[in-house]
Amino acid sequence: DAGITQSPRHKVTETGTPVTLRCHQTENHRYMYWYRQDPGHGLRLIHYSYGVKDTDKGEVSDGYSVSRSKTEDFLLTLESATSSQTSVYFCAISEAGGGETQYFGPGTRLLVL
Amino acid sequence: TQLLEQSPQFLSIQEGENLTVYCNSSSVFSSLQWYRQEPGEGPVLLVTVVTGGEVKKLKRLTFQFGDARKDSSLHITAAQPGDTGLYLCAGEKAAGNKLTFGGGTRVLVKP
Repeated sequence: DAGITQSPRHKVTETGTPVTLRCHQTENHRYMYWYRQDPGHGLRLIHYSYGVKDTDKGEVSDGYSVSRSKTEDFLLTLESATSSQTSVYFCAISEAGGGETQYFGPGTRLLVL
Repeated sequence: TQLLEQSPQFLSIQEGENLTVYCNSSSVFSSLQWYRQEPGEGPVLLVTVVTGGEVKKLKRLTFQFGDARKDSSLHITAAQPGDTGLYLCAGEKAAGNKLTFGGGTRVLVKP
């Protein structure tokens, strides 16, 4: 299994509070991704990174920001959590972009009350 | 409307039966992947298809990429309870950095 961890694994927070999710990899892969998974929607890309300090938006980036200061860590921040951001968040990594295999972390279940 | 539409959304069958899951789009993809996800875990890649008309087999699973590279199917022969899970297709548009995922098909194989 690819070495990807996510923390926390579960979080309950209140509307309006900031939340940061962490993805850590030990594979030295260049690309890292943040997805959210909601019933009927599959996985939707929030943001991705193609190198240290290089990030770009995905299809559902509003309300989210990311940072990557080291190859191994990719942080996702909800600046002011809303109930619509209740979801399961997955981090993924790949050696290259596009059609390269993506390896997924175990997910973080976030509940915004 | 999603770029990749999967059907059916849910499938419940008995052990030993066959099933087919479809992944359709009006867009052309340079490659298409199939993942399986089990409860509480992240998706795991099953296969990547890159050539129009390509057929790949993985034990009892057969994957096909449409000739026009707009659609794909996954066929499972003699399904087993271990095949239970969420099946996701994901496509890469030409020279992109990203994958687009379909909504998923949840498969339940009853013993």
